[in-house]
Amino acid sequence: DGGITQSPKYLFRKEGQNVTLSCEQNLNHDAMYWYRQDPGQGLRLIYYSQIVNDFQKGDIAEGYSVSREKKESFPLTVTSAQKNPTAFYLCASSITGGSNQPQHFGDGTRLSIL
Amino acid sequence: QQQVKQSPQSLIVQKGGIPIINCAYENTAFDYFPWYQQFPGKGPALLIAIRPDVSEKKEGRFTISFNKSAKQFSLHIMDSQPGDSATYFCAASPDNDYKLSFGAGTTVTVRA
Repeated sequence: DGGITQSPKYLFRKEGQNVTLSCEQNLNHDAMYWYRQDPGQGLRLIYYSQIVNDFQKGDIAEGYSVSREKKESFPLTVTSAQKNPTAFYLCASSITGGSNQPQHFGDGTRLSIL
Repeated sequence: QQQVKQSPQSLIVQKGGIPIINCAYENTAFDYFPWYQQFPGKGPALLIAIRPDVSEKKEGRFTISFNKSAKQFSLHIMDSQPGDSATYFCAASPDNDYKLSFGAGTTVTVRA
């Protein structure tokens, strides 16, 4: 089955620690996205990648970093600079980065602070 | 500052009722309006989408109404079922732009 796989499902971070969230897709989509979901705030875009080796900051990129070395993979690192990292993180992909392209989501990673 | 304002935050209906979720926007460049359905612990899934050149679109029991002049659009769930209990998000994006602006979400509970 084609889809987006996010791992781990739950993740705990200690103070001062960087953690990396995995996102893999086998849909052969060019574009991939990372969103942060907080209660009552909808989804906010962290980073976006339209093609391998290229990515752009979204609305709330501070304290986060990404890489796009392979078409199917778009890992997100939550750095120690992100002071409020507790949230539900969602990865998505679309065929291309243009408008009207449905975004397909993974089942998320819930990050908490120890 | 949210570009898409969604209401209500939550609502409860009886089975067979018609929950209605409303969204409003200001950016006249918005050209694509999808709705997503999210179950607890899962990612959102695209439910239905509309472009401003149509005023209504139906897919099964889900209907989008669109009022371009008022810059408002809404989702109606006809003959709602307990399995429709979920959080619904409206969203919008400009033409030729990947960036989706999401509403804050509405949690719908359908009681049996």
